[in-house]
Amino acid sequence: DVKVTQSSRYLVKRTGEKVFLECVQDMDHENMFWYRQDPGLGLRLIYFSYDVKMKEKGDIPEGYSVSREKKERFSLILESASTNQTSMYLCASSLRKGVYNEQFFGPGTRLTVL
Amino acid sequence: SQKIEQNSEALNIQEGKTATLTCNYTNYSPAYLQWYRQDPGRGPVFLLLIRENEKEKRKERLKVTFDTTLKQSLFHITASQPADSATYLCALGAGGYNKLIFGAGTRLAVHP
Repeated sequence: DVKVTQSSRYLVKRTGEKVFLECVQDMDHENMFWYRQDPGLGLRLIYFSYDVKMKEKGDIPEGYSVSREKKERFSLILESASTNQTSMYLCASSLRKGVYNEQFFGPGTRLTVL
Repeated sequence: SQKIEQNSEALNIQEGKTATLTCNYTNYSPAYLQWYRQDPGRGPVFLLLIRENEKEKRKERLKVTFDTTLKQSLFHITASQPADSATYLCALGAGGYNKLIFGAGTRLAVHP
């Protein structure tokens, strides 16, 4: 059974804190993605990675950074959390080979920044 | 700019009827389109993929159409059941690395 796991389901942090969100997949996928999901806006891509140590900016990378030191793990970092980063964060992975591959999602982390 | 539109209002239907959800897009020519289901508090789950050269795709009670002239995809659930109640997201293939652009989703409620 394929699986994408995220380190926390719920997280509460204070403004200015450094926040780490971890994502692990067990499917040996090359591609990994971080999205945030807000009501009425859908999923917006923050960063993605197509290989270890490789990363590309998505549509809304400002205020975020990522790290991919191992194939199965992709971390999202909020350098200095702000209230407008309160959101649901979703991690996903997919195969790189081929063009039309589906994405497999984790359960999400609901982050609240106070 | 690229835009994907799904009905923002919830779709309420009676059990046994066919649910039809719409996905419209502008300023884009995707090579494929995917549909996902998302239950409250969970991540999306892949349902179906349709390529630009395919008009229709079926899987059990699900059917997807893709009209590249109208820039529209329709998602049908026949013989709907209360268990089909969820939010359904359409996503357009957005170039390399299997990147997707997602719509905001339409919430479907099937009533007994």
